[in-house]
Amino acid sequence: AQTVTQSQPEMSVQEAETVTLSCTYDTSENNYYLFWYKQPPSRQMILVIRQEAYKQQNATENRFSVNFQKAAKSFSLKISDSQLGDTAMYFCAFMNRFNGMRFGAGTRLTVKP
Amino acid sequence: DVKVTQSSRYLVKRTGEKVFLECVQDMDHENMFWYRQDPGLGLRLIYFSYDVKMKEKGDIPEGYSVSREKKERFSLILESASTNQTSMYLCASSRDRTLYTFGSGTRLTVV
Repeated sequence: AQTVTQSQPEMSVQEAETVTLSCTYDTSENNYYLFWYKQPPSRQMILVIRQEAYKQQNATENRFSVNFQKAAKSFSLKISDSQLGDTAMYFCAFMNRFNGMRFGAGTRLTVKP
Repeated sequence: DVKVTQSSRYLVKRTGEKVFLECVQDMDHENMFWYRQDPGLGLRLIYFSYDVKMKEKGDIPEGYSVSREKKERFSLILESASTNQTSMYLCASSRDRTLYTFGSGTRLTVV
């Protein structure tokens, strides 16, 4: 079974600064997908960014980017120019096409003014 | 806009009750999923379904069952609710199994 580990239960960052959230995973598969989800207090799960394992280029979505290291099984999220609205729980997730998405324990990020 | 609707935002039930959590999607998605979310544990997969009347166990199916009689509806059933099933329950659906749309969750308290 695949496991996803987020080793930082809580983090904080000053507004406009950059923060990096860590994620590692364990799998014996070669083809899979990795995700970062954001969950604000509204509880709605919002997809932040997605990476397909066969793509070597790191995914980027505006202020959000990932550092995907396939050999190291590492998938960190970098948030640049942090905004107050980025305050939320962030979940890293792993999926192949057959068995559903598996999530890490989450990192609670607080952006301070 | 695509929608996954969970019937209750908050629910309080008594120990031993049979509990139904309902999830409906309006996107004609084949794939539907139930998770529970607990602090420090993240989201854990309970059951999923890739077609009507089809179901597969996730990582923590004990104490739960599911029903998918129609494509748009996926029900999670707690046969005899217990206090350790107090949690947030999240439903999701997807068309191609890689992009999920989540409901806004049901916070269940079993007393």
